[in-house]
Amino acid sequence: EIVLTQSPATLSLSPGERATLSCRASQSVSSYLAWYQQKPGQAPRLLIYDASNRATGIPARFSGSGSGTDFTLTISSLEPEDFAVYYCQQRSNWPHTFGQGTKLEIK
Amino acid sequence: EVQLLESGGGLVQPGGSLRLSCAASGFTFSSYAMSWVRQAPGKGLEWVSAISGSGGSTYYADSVKGRFTISRDNSKNTLYLQMNSLRAEDTAVYYCAKDLATVTTSWYFDLWGRGTLVTVSS
Repeated sequence: EIVLTQSPATLSLSPGERATLSCRASQSVSSYLAWYQQKPGQAPRLLIYDASNRATGIPARFSGSGSGTDFTLTISSLEPEDFAVYYCQQRSNWPHTFGQGTKLEIK
Repeated sequence: EVQLLESGGGLVQPGGSLRLSCAASGFTFSSYAMSWVRQAPGKGLEWVSAISGSGGSTYYADSVKGRFTISRDNSKNTLYLQMNSLRAEDTAVYYCAKDLATVTTSWYFDLWGRGTLVTVSS
């Protein structure tokens, strides 16, 4: 099973700042990685798929990069609604797995 | 409106069974692979099971293999998860999720239901 490790566990930033979230895979997943955002009491929302493709309706301030084992989700300038938990997910190998999440909180 | 609506959750004793349903609307259900993802209280997301659009291929997490069965009825636009031999660690909100792509399955999830809570406790 591929293990995805996200860092940091918690990121404290202010609106307007740049956020950089990391996801590292225990073995190569090529570019088969997605990012999701989850707010309290809500279902997750797909942000990025295949490492760098924005899903429909996702603002341009969200971008993804990386391949192989190291991936990054960048939010260029934080809006108040961006404070949430973010998960990465790989679909390279069965079973498909999620990272443990990074909580992005307001500083 | 494009949506997924789960049902069937509730309180069940350890060793018991439960069947979850997910009613789909607003899209051509049979064209998309579907999955179940769960989230234990206060914890992260865990992929549970997936099924191809035709229902001919199914996949399971090791933690549920042999106990859970995923299925679908494309005539009823409904996805199912039969859960047997339930354990306390199966307690979670169970989400059904729709695949992003239709022609070539992506195994990413672009539409999620609101979830149904399963509690396994005596």
